Amino acid sequence: GAVVSQHPSWVICKSGTSVKIECRSLDFQATTMFWYRQFPKQSLMLMATSNEGSKATYEQGVEKDKFLINHASLTLSTLTVTSAHPEDSSFYICSARVRARSLTNTIYFGEGSWLTVV
Amino acid sequence: GEDVEQSLFLSVREGDSSVINCTYTDSSSTYLYWYKQEPGAGLQLLTYIFSNMDMKQDQRLTVLLNKKDKHLSLRIADTQTGDSAIYFCAETAYSSASKIIFGSGTRLSIRP
Repeated sequence: GAVVSQHPSWVICKSGTSVKIECRSLDFQATTMFWYRQFPKQSLMLMATSNEGSKATYEQGVEKDKFLINHASLTLSTLTVTSAHPEDSSFYICSARVRARSLTNTIYFGEGSWLTVV
Repeated sequence: GEDVEQSLFLSVREGDSSVINCTYTDSSSTYLYWYKQEPGAGLQLLTYIFSNMDMKQDQRLTVLLNKKDKHLSLRIADTQTGDSAIYFCAETAYSSASKIIFGSGTRLSIRP
């Protein structure tokens, strides 16, 4: 089946530094990619929606200058957490919507990235 | 706004069937999904159903959709210990800009 790869799987960074997480669709083109964060024992919270070649749409309460999203191609989106702080520590998951001529609207998820800010 | 609700916990005996329920509010929903999340892992798409269907079966999984009541269920036959996970119900309307809305997830635990 379709595969979405996220990298890195886990990262530890110092407070104040920036961290970039990549999300790649390996065997399909993705019209839209989504970024979520998940706190322990909670559901996914949508952070932003990105369409290839255009600016990301951020959900209410998500700081766009802190969570920079770039969707440069139909197979790659990146999330950069700038000036990270301990409260940014979380599990970040991306998903990609398959670009297809048919009416399928299948969305596949990456494996997630654990971010720990110390 | 859109909302998806699930019960938080379900405990079943190994070998029994598990039924996880979900309700949603968006009448324009066109795709409804079930995802499985094991500890520390991403989400695995188990199955999805298009809104003009009322049932979909895939091996041990059966999805039932009652569009009138906006109720979705996932039945896992012959539940095994490997089925222990959190199951998320999700919905989206058909549009390239439509975001996917998740339920809170149901934690399924299997007892011997």
